[in-house]
Amino acid sequence: NAGVTQTPKFRVLKTGQSMTLLCAQDMNHEYMYWYRQDPGMGLRLIHYSVGEGTTAKGEVPDGYNVSRLKKQNFLLGLESAAPSQTSVYFCASSRQIISSGGYNEQFFGPGTRLTVL
Amino acid sequence: QQQVKQSPQSLIVQKGGISIINCAYENTAFDYFPWYQQFPGKGPALLIAIRPDVSEKKEGRFTISFNKSAKQFSLHIMDSQPGDSATYFCAASILGYNQGGKLIFGQGTELSVKP
Repeated sequence: NAGVTQTPKFRVLKTGQSMTLLCAQDMNHEYMYWYRQDPGMGLRLIHYSVGEGTTAKGEVPDGYNVSRLKKQNFLLGLESAAPSQTSVYFCASSRQIISSGGYNEQFFGPGTRLTVL
Repeated sequence: QQQVKQSPQSLIVQKGGISIINCAYENTAFDYFPWYQQFPGKGPALLIAIRPDVSEKKEGRFTISFNKSAKQFSLHIMDSQPGDSATYFCAASILGYNQGGKLIFGQGTELSVKP
């Protein structure tokens, strides 16, 4: 099992350019997440999905769009990149939560380092 | 607003010492508190987690202490080793069918264990 994979690993964009980050998981997880990691800020949730065809906003959704057309894939799009979007982006996935008990482990990908000039 | 506050930002410990990282949360609805460990160039990975119905959970050299009334929890690493050098994140979540499993992370602590 590859777990959670992310494409690309690195990318440099110019201000105003667009791009799509791809996340794929092979664990048959229902839930998927996109986070960004910035120094001193921890990880902040951008968007998430609780199932194929559904998406929802997280803490910092502005400037990003997402799509979950297939259960195993979760795409993060930047329509017009800005320097403030320079960050490391992590995708994660987890099983569906069907009760309030137990635990829920999120499995993270290796990250995409994005620089916007 | 920062719902989960983590301290210290960085920590240097001698090999064999105890590393202690603290977190405080605001939302009393949180009912799941995991700690994630991240090595340079890698994604975070779950280290240990606790639910608020217990005050302590231990797994090997790693222990979570939880104080519900103070809305605080901490990670203790006993007999710290150079291989423990990493960034540690606390997090909080509301586990429930309609909550989406979203994690709110602390700011992170960069731990360096000196040989």
